[in-house]
Amino acid sequence: AQTVTQSQPEMSVQEAETVTLSCTYDTSESDYYLFWYKQPPSRQMILVIRQEAYKQQNATENRFSVNFQKAAKSFSLKISDSQLGDAAMYFCAYRSAVLYGNKLVFGAGTILRVKS
Amino acid sequence: DTAVSQTPKYLVTQMGNDKSIKCEQNLGHDTMYWYKQDSKKFLKIMFSYNNKELIINETVPNRFSPKSPDKAHLNLHINSLELGDSAVYFCASSQVAGGPGETQYFGPGTRLLVL
Repeated sequence: AQTVTQSQPEMSVQEAETVTLSCTYDTSESDYYLFWYKQPPSRQMILVIRQEAYKQQNATENRFSVNFQKAAKSFSLKISDSQLGDAAMYFCAYRSAVLYGNKLVFGAGTILRVKS
Repeated sequence: DTAVSQTPKYLVTQMGNDKSIKCEQNLGHDTMYWYKQDSKKFLKIMFSYNNKELIINETVPNRFSPKSPDKAHLNLHINSLELGDSAVYFCASSQVAGGPGETQYFGPGTRLLVL
């Protein structure tokens, strides 16, 4: 079974600074997808960024980028120019590209606090 | 226009009661899911339906019964509620089960509190 580990329960960043959230995963599959979701206090789950394992190029979405290291099974999220609105819980998630059913396997989450 | 909606958003009930949570998506997606987020914020899949057919049942007690009247709706019925059922329940949907590049879109969640 696949597992996802987020080793940082909580992180803090100063507004306008850069922060990196860590995620590692364990799988025997070679084809899969990785996601970062953001959950603000409103509770809504919002997709931040997605990475296909077959792509070597790291995904970017505006101020958000990932460092995908397939051999190391690492998928970190970098947030540049942090804003107050980035404060939330961030979840790393894995989805198999092989298994039918398509469930997301989530890490335990990292709380990000942004200081003004 | 809410893409994935859930009702109710909050549900407070007594142990032993039966309750339902409704989910609707207007994205035209084929697959819908129920996830449970416990008090420690841990999220885990419960069920997945594709075109009204159950494709994932992740060792959930049979007190939980999902029902999909059509592919735009996936409701969750819970019998004989227990204290441990208190959690936030998220509905989600996606275009294709097992297809490449799909993304799951989540509803706002339903906070269930069993007293």
